[in-house]
Amino acid sequence: DQQVKQNSPSLSVQEGRISILNCDYTNSMFDYFLWYKKYPAEGPTFLISISSIKDKNEDGRFTVFLNKSAKHLSLHIVPSQPGDSAVYFCAASGGSYDKVIFGPGTSLSVIP
Amino acid sequence: NAGVTQTPKFHILKIGQSMTLQCTQDMNHNYMYWYRQDPGMGLKLIYYSVGAGITDKGEVPNGYNVSRSTTEDFPLRLELAAPSQTSVYFCASSYSRQGYEQYFGPGTRLTVT
Repeated sequence: DQQVKQNSPSLSVQEGRISILNCDYTNSMFDYFLWYKKYPAEGPTFLISISSIKDKNEDGRFTVFLNKSAKHLSLHIVPSQPGDSAVYFCAASGGSYDKVIFGPGTSLSVIP
Repeated sequence: NAGVTQTPKFHILKIGQSMTLQCTQDMNHNYMYWYRQDPGMGLKLIYYSVGAGITDKGEVPNGYNVSRSTTEDFPLRLELAAPSQTSVYFCASSYSRQGYEQYFGPGTRLTVT
């Protein structure tokens, strides 16, 4: 039972264009969402987060949008750069869960 | 400030052997976690700790044990290794659970054969 889903295993985008990574969740009790970025042979690093009381959070080139009614969030990267090529994990926490649940990840390739 | 360090980086273990994966953090975080990542899958929580002397099971604890005698160290013990434990293991720490971001170590790639 996957509570956090990232239905696109991979995504390819041209440098300078927008990258949109999607994430869906099933548990309406989740109230905090995070995105992590992972390069090969390294541990994940925190990228950006959003609380359920907001519908948007922005940090430089990265913006996360939350649609609570659809149980959907997305990460926008504008403009995309080759250094953004990595695996991106969506994660959720809250409610009865005192731990973070991770999605399976989306591998982003930004083509120069 | 080294953050979260893990040793070893790689290891090959024979079926039935035991070993300990080491994890140390220097950020004075109370919360520490062990995850495993299998190909194409997200991170699965094995065990976590909310402070020295306190540990609890995550989603996939079978075949593993942990201890937390100090704030800094959170070793993961594999007893009687099985091929199903072939995975990449990540240790992480955080200031708090839930909303706070976790800081991850570089991972240990373990093969059981």
